[in-house]
Amino acid sequence: GENVEQHPSTLSVQEGDSAVIKCTYSDSASNYFPWYKQELGKRPQLIIDIRSNVGEKKDQRIAVTLNKTAKHFSLHITETQPEDSAVYFCAAHNQAGTALIFGKGTTLSVSS
Amino acid sequence: GAVVSQHPSWVICKSGTSVKIECRSLDFQATTMFWYRQFPKQSLMLMATSNEGSKATYEQGVEKDKFLINHASLTLSTLTVTSAHPEDSSFYICSARPLAGGPNEQFFGPGTRLTVL
Repeated sequence: GENVEQHPSTLSVQEGDSAVIKCTYSDSASNYFPWYKQELGKRPQLIIDIRSNVGEKKDQRIAVTLNKTAKHFSLHITETQPEDSAVYFCAAHNQAGTALIFGKGTTLSVSS
Repeated sequence: GAVVSQHPSWVICKSGTSVKIECRSLDFQATTMFWYRQFPKQSLMLMATSNEGSKATYEQGVEKDKFLINHASLTLSTLTVTSAHPEDSSFYICSARPLAGGPNEQFFGPGTRLTVL
């Protein structure tokens, strides 16, 4: 089945810096790659997603890039703010094309 | 729109008892619901896929006799943890895929914190 690897597991940046989180996936048939932000004890919140027919998508300070050939995708957060501090998960569809398989998560800490 | 609720939000039970967790799609119908388990500081692990009117599909390593899933209607799926033990203590999160939504849409419930003493 699908396997999603995520790096780094922790990331500390200064306010205003950029943060990049990278994921790789194993199933070349996967076609949907969302990113979630999860605060402690809360549900994951979708922050951006990308489908396999595009290479990049941007929404204000957040962008995602996808390299299908290399089977990796990345989350880019620019001008980070303390409120960006949370755990971020990448995900991909599994072989059935329905359930999401998650990476292990990245704890982002933004210090002011 | 697209709200998913879970009940209860937290539960504490004694070892050996059974606990039922409900997942409801409040303003849409869901043919498919997913159950995830999340241990502290870990990722969401898919436990099973629940389809309305049929048996759930369990991921490898998840005991179907221990984690009973019932998807009796297009708005409700239940997860029953039978004979719960302390190692079952976790955050259980469901998500629901809308009947009329796009192929990638799914919406998460707020989660249920289970503590087994």
